[in-house]
Amino acid sequence: EVQMVESGGGLVPPGGSLRLSCAASGFTFISYWMHWVRQAPGKGLVWVSRINPDGSSTSYAGSVKGRFTISRDNAKNTLYLQMNSLRAEDMAVYYCVSLYSTTWSEYFQHWGQGTLVTVSS
Amino acid sequence: DIQMTQSPSSLSASVGDRVTITCRASQSISSYLNWYQQKPGKAPKVLIYAASNLQSGVPSRFSGSGSGTDFTLTISSLQPEDFATYYCQQSYSTPPTFGQGTKLEIK
Repeated sequence: EVQMVESGGGLVPPGGSLRLSCAASGFTFISYWMHWVRQAPGKGLVWVSRINPDGSSTSYAGSVKGRFTISRDNAKNTLYLQMNSLRAEDMAVYYCVSLYSTTWSEYFQHWGQGTLVTVSS
Repeated sequence: DIQMTQSPSSLSASVGDRVTITCRASQSISSYLNWYQQKPGKAPKVLIYAASNLQSGVPSRFSGSGSGTDFTLTISSLQPEDFATYYCQQSYSTPPTFGQGTKLEIK
């Protein structure tokens, strides 16, 4: 059974930092592109960042570029998101997501349960 | 970035109804269009990928169609468990982008 368990969310003041973790199991983690997708309270889904299987290539949404860093430890089957200089607009549930990819399709296959980041003084 | 626009934003329907949700891309995305269902407090789950392919385990009352810029998700006969929010998402280019969601409510 595929499981992705996020942790590390919580309350942080504006300008603060948090590191999210996502422990994956039940699939060959090292073979998958991994993403973070967030959802502000009562709002829609927004892509945040992605990392390739060996960790050598990353991409970010413009709203977080320069403040967030995605990384992975394939030996530990774990994905990370280091979030610095947090703003009120970063407050959201953050989902760890695996991407299923073929030559003719790509979709977000497995989602974690999400971890809530609250940015408030 | 490719913008995805869903309509309607909300929809009231009854059990047994046939429902259609549309999604329009701001440029052609071929068939790189996925549909997700999200229930309150839960993570989204994929229903349809590559515009018309039913994800394993998803009931056959769900179907998808379209290519280029215009896509539809159809639920042929609504069941009580189908009341949720539905999102389209393009995987044609980075960044992947989602529609704003369609909330399907019980009439």
